[in-house]
Amino acid sequence: ILNVEQSPQSLHVQEGDSTNFTCSFPSSNFYALHWYRWETAKSPEALFVMTLNGDEKKKGRISATLNTKEGYSYLYIKGSQPEDSATYLCAFFSGGSNYKLTFGKGTLLTVNP
Amino acid sequence: GAVVSQHPSRVICKSGTSVKIECRSLDFQATTMFWYRQFPKQSLMLMATSNEGSKATYEQGVEKDKFLINHASLTLSTLTVTSAHPEDSSFYICSGRGSANQPQHFGDGTRLSIL
Repeated sequence: ILNVEQSPQSLHVQEGDSTNFTCSFPSSNFYALHWYRWETAKSPEALFVMTLNGDEKKKGRISATLNTKEGYSYLYIKGSQPEDSATYLCAFFSGGSNYKLTFGKGTLLTVNP
Repeated sequence: GAVVSQHPSRVICKSGTSVKIECRSLDFQATTMFWYRQFPKQSLMLMATSNEGSKATYEQGVEKDKFLINHASLTLSTLTVTSAHPEDSSFYICSGRGSANQPQHFGDGTRLSIL
């Protein structure tokens, strides 16, 4: 059973604060790490798919880094806004023709105005 | 981006009823679709992988006779919860995949409540 852990479980920040959270995953048999943003009553939206150790990806105020050797990825949000409030999910893919993802429980971010 | 339409969004029904959930890919061909279930405060758990034109692959512990999956076309997969019981109450969500390095495209999910 693959173990994908996310921390913290939930986070409250003030508008304008920068924040970050962690996803840890098995360091062996790594193929890809996905990040999704899931707002209430909507479908999860893909943020990043990361495949290479040392990868750093950016989308607006959100960025992510990847360390496959030690098995972790960080997601950063700069200058949080209330519309950033959502659950952020990471998912680990270890390869295989079935393309199966193993998800963490997510980090629930609430940005207070 | 790719859109996956999932219906219904909410079902409340009596114990013993069978419930069908549909998942359609609107602007891409989903040769593979995934069905997940999520219990409160838990992660998305893969139930089964649905391949167009062939039998679904179920995860360990998921009863294939209980959760019937049909993927008859490249754009439609259905999950039928047969003779649903209160313990089947959960959030069910589907996704379609692109290639290995592409993200999955999710539906909005279905909240199933069995009374």
